[in-house]
Amino acid sequence: NAGVTQTPKFRILKIGQSMTLQCTQDMNHNYMYWYRQDPGMGLKLIYYSVGAGITDKGEVPNGYNVSRSTTEDFPLRLELAAPSQTSVYFCASRNGRTNEKLFFGSGTQLSVL
Amino acid sequence: AQSVTQLDSQVPVFEEAPVELRCNYSSSVSVYLFWYVQYPNQGLQLLLKYLSGSTLVKGINGFEAEFNKSQTSFHLRKPSVHISDTAEYFCAVSDWGNQFYFGTGTSLTVIP
Repeated sequence: NAGVTQTPKFRILKIGQSMTLQCTQDMNHNYMYWYRQDPGMGLKLIYYSVGAGITDKGEVPNGYNVSRSTTEDFPLRLELAAPSQTSVYFCASRNGRTNEKLFFGSGTQLSVL
Repeated sequence: AQSVTQLDSQVPVFEEAPVELRCNYSSSVSVYLFWYVQYPNQGLQLLLKYLSGSTLVKGINGFEAEFNKSQTSFHLRKPSVHISDTAEYFCAVSDWGNQFYFGTGTSLTVIP
């Protein structure tokens, strides 16, 4: 069972470039989340989804977009990369039937220069 | 929205000594409480959780936490730490909704 898989693990972008961070889970979880982690700031929620076709903004959605066309996949899109988006990004999922734990991917380290 | 405060950003402790990592939350409703651990270059893993019932919760690797509703706290404890416990620890709350709110983390360093 692979769990939550994120790609790529590392990426360097130039200011203004765009990219998509991929996230896929094989646990048939309805709920999926994107967080960013900055030093001393903990995890901040960017976007989340409660099922295919349904997404909603979290605490820090500006500069990002998401889609959820299937239960398994929840890609995060950066359209015009800015230095403020330099961070470590984590995707997570959970079983939506009860308020249970989050399963996390191993993260994507993104630098915007 | 809920908020979570982890009072100590860094906690150094000698090997085999006890440790307590503090977590306080603010909420006007009942919440679920969690402690996650993050080892270097990895995602977060669940240590333990409080959903209901006994206020003393035991988790993996010998950790335990006590839910105190009157003080809105959920402190994490371990009676004797090991070198392998060196990691970042995050407290989180969920309020029956769809979102989880994380604290800023506590870096635990175990000194040989």
